[in-house]
Amino acid sequence: EIVLTQSPATLSLSPGERATLSCGASQSFGSRYMAWYQQKPGLAPRLLIYDTSRRATGIPGRFSGSGSGTDFTLTISRLEPEDFAVYYCQQYDTSPYTFGQGTKLEIK
Amino acid sequence: QLQLQESGPGLVKPSETLSLTCTVSGGSISRSSYYWGWIRQSPGKGLEWIGSVYISGKPYYNPSLESRLSISLDTSKNQFSLKLTSVTATDTAVYYCARPVGSGNYYVLFDQWGQGTLVTVSS
Repeated sequence: EIVLTQSPATLSLSPGERATLSCGASQSFGSRYMAWYQQKPGLAPRLLIYDTSRRATGIPGRFSGSGSGTDFTLTISRLEPEDFAVYYCQQYDTSPYTFGQGTKLEIK
Repeated sequence: QLQLQESGPGLVKPSETLSLTCTVSGGSISRSSYYWGWIRQSPGKGLEWIGSVYISGKPYYNPSLESRLSISLDTSKNQFSLKLTSVTATDTAVYYCARPVGSGNYYVLFDQWGQGTLVTVSS
């Protein structure tokens, strides 16, 4: 099973700042099958990024993804108030398809 | 607009069977080419893919749950269901049903989710 480790666990930033969230995989996978989700309290996760760097429908351009092998990154260029939430990475390369434990992005 | 809604008991006793149904509206599960999926979320294990089922193919299960799991479709009701046997406290979670982005590897990449339902395993 591919274990995904997200860092940091909590990130405290202010609106307007840049956020960089990391996701490390326990083994390298050659595909680009990495996704990122955003989750707000009481709601289901929302797909943001798939195939490492492709934005899902309706996702603003300030969200971007990058990475390969075992290291993947979600970047939010300028934080808006609605971006403060928990973010999860997910690999869909190898079954069982796994999620990271999440990074909580909180307002500083 | 596609909508998914989970339903089922919120409390299940240990060793019994957890049964949930997802009702799909705004689209037909029999006319789609999607694998319909279940995901759960618990404080202890976070988000976990449970399994996915297709209209004309075998279901795919998380190997850690496969021996206790059954996922099926009921096209007449536009629903799909999950049954998890011999539950323990570790099966306590919010259970989501979801539709993926597409086929191939995308069958476990979910862009349409139900609101989730909390199932507690306790005597």
